[in-house]
This record gives sequence, structure tokens and C-alpha cells, in this order.
Amino acid sequence: QVTLKESGPGVLQPSQTLSLTCTFSGFSLNTYGVGVGWIRQPSGKGLEWLANIYWDDDKFYNPSLKTRLTISMDTSNSQAFLKITSVDTADTATYYCARVDRKSGYYFDYWGQGVMVTVSS
Amino acid sequence: DVQMTQSPYNLAASPGESVSINCKASKSISKYLAWYQQKPGKASKLLVYDGSTLQSGIPSRFSGSRSGTDFTLTIRSLEPEDFGLYYCQQHNEYPFTFGSGTKLEIK
Repeated sequence: QVTLKESGPGVLQPSQTLSLTCTFSGFSLNTYGVGVGWIRQPSGKGLEWLANIYWDDDKFYNPSLKTRLTISMDTSNSQAFLKITSVDTADTATYYCARVDRKSGYYFDYWGQGVMVTVSS
Repeated sequence: DVQMTQSPYNLAASPGESVSINCKASKSISKYLAWYQQKPGKASKLLVYDGSTLQSGIPSRFSGSRSGTDFTLTIRSLEPEDFGLYYCQQHNEYPFTFGSGTKLEIK
């Protein structure tokens, strides 16, 4: 059974760095083709893809945010991470992680429930 | 970036009815479109990928189709658990992009 769970700071101040963790089970980031992606959703708005990381440490970022994003992983602990630097109120959103298997295609077949992050002074 | 134009924004229907949700890509994405269902407090669910392939475990009342850059998710014989938010996503090229969402409500 594949599960993913996001965790984060809850609230942070403008200009700080947001650190998110995705802890997963039921699959491994050592498996050929498998990856984890991060997607966010401001309250009442649509979904925005942020970044993907794959089993071979290949990384892809949304160009609109690329200079502020860093995605990484810890395969031994079944975790993926996302850092967003210099946050502001526009980064207030629910952040999701999801599994992708690029052997099959670049869709997200399992999602976490999301973690809400508020940027406020 | 590929822009995904999703319609309608809101949809109201009764159990047993059939509904369709549409997504139009701003350029060719071949068949590479996915549909997701989102409900509050629950993990989003992949329904369809590659335009028309039903994800394992998804009821056959869900179906996806494609005509060029136009994609449709059809839900036949709506069940009470089908109400929620639906999103499309192009998975043809980076950056992946989503439609704006459709809220399917009980009439």
C-alpha cells in the first residue's frame, strides 16, 4: 500500500526558508523510474506543479520558481524534501507530494493529503 | 508553458445522471492528459491517464476521451461519492500544468 505524508512548519514569516518533508511508504526511490513530485494549491485556487525528483537524482523544477526551489531525497529513510527560499504571502498554500513513475508516464498516481503552510508577519 | 483551459467551473447534477468535464490544451500534448478527483481532507485520486486509460481500481462509470487538444472526462450514473473537485493535468512536458478545476455538486 502506497502512502505519502507531508510535514512542514505550519506558519513562517516572509523572507524565511520553507522546508517541507514528504515521508512515504509502499515504494522506494531506489526503484528505476520512480520519483516524487511537489504540487501546491493556494486556498480556493488551482494546482501548481513545483518540482520532481527521480530515483537517479534527476531533478526538474517549475521555471517560474526555479531560482527559489531545491528538491532532494533521502532514499534510506523514504523521504523527499522541498525547500523554498525567500517566501512571501503568495507562498501561502497547501503543499502536496505525490508519486510519479516515469516508466509509465508523468502523472501522479498517489498523493498525500497535503500540509497547510501560512506565510505571515 | 502549456495552458490548460478547463470547463465548466461549476457543475450541479443529481445521482444517476451523467456529466462531462472538459479540458483544452493550448498546444498539442498528444494523449498525455490525466484526470484527478480531489476531496477535502483526503488524498487526491488519479482517475484517468494518457487521456483515456482508467487507473486501476477506478469504477468503469468514469471514462476519458480525446479529440485533438480537447479532452473530456465523462462520469456516467453519478454516485453520491463522485461529488467533489476535478482537475486535469497535462503530463506531456515540463512544466506540468493543471486545469483550473471543476466543482461537481449535488443538485
